Amino acid sequence: AQKVTQAQTEISVVEKEDVTLDCVYETRDTTYYLFWYKQPPSGELVFLIRRNSFDEQNEISGRYSWNFQKSTSSFNFTITASQVVDSAVYFCALSFSGGYQKVTFGTGTKLQVIP
Amino acid sequence: DSGVTQTPKHLITATGQRVTLRCSPRSGDLSVYWYQQSLDQGLQFLIQYYNGEERAKGNILERFSAQQFPDLHSELNLSSLELGDSALYFCASTPGTPTDTQYFGPGTRLTVL
Repeated sequence: AQKVTQAQTEISVVEKEDVTLDCVYETRDTTYYLFWYKQPPSGELVFLIRRNSFDEQNEISGRYSWNFQKSTSSFNFTITASQVVDSAVYFCALSFSGGYQKVTFGTGTKLQVIP
Repeated sequence: DSGVTQTPKHLITATGQRVTLRCSPRSGDLSVYWYQQSLDQGLQFLIQYYNGEERAKGNILERFSAQQFPDLHSELNLSSLELGDSALYFCASTPGTPTDTQYFGPGTRLTVL
């Protein structure tokens, strides 16, 4: 069975602070895929990143970066110099398949960036 | 605007009723995914269609069914509705290749009274 744990339910930071959202996963599959999604207060879901289990290289996209560590089964997400627009619920997810099907989501971390 | 449309935006109905949620994927996208987001269950994958054929099934109840039509739009049918079916239902689409970015519609909020 697959499981995704986002232990941080809510985080508040002051604008311009860096913040890391934790994601720990459990799977018996040797090939799997990890995802992060953003759900702003407006309610829509936004895909952020997809990473397969063979690629442990960290990824950076602007102020966003992701740290994948197989040894600790973690796929953490860092926002550098946070902005108010980053306020949202962030979901980490896991799938054993190559696509987006049969994804198991974490419970989400609500990030509030205070101006 | 993601290019994925969902109708209706809100739906209020009674227990025991049947409803149909509609999703139009981005132009050219062959894959459609349905998800349910509820307070109790969180976010769950329901089902995926690719070019008219069912590709994967997740935690979809037997009371629920879906299909994808030749014009690639998809419908999610929910029947014998229960209070617990109240949720936000999202659809998403991708062109179909494994490395595609996924785009979500705005969701349909279903309230069962």
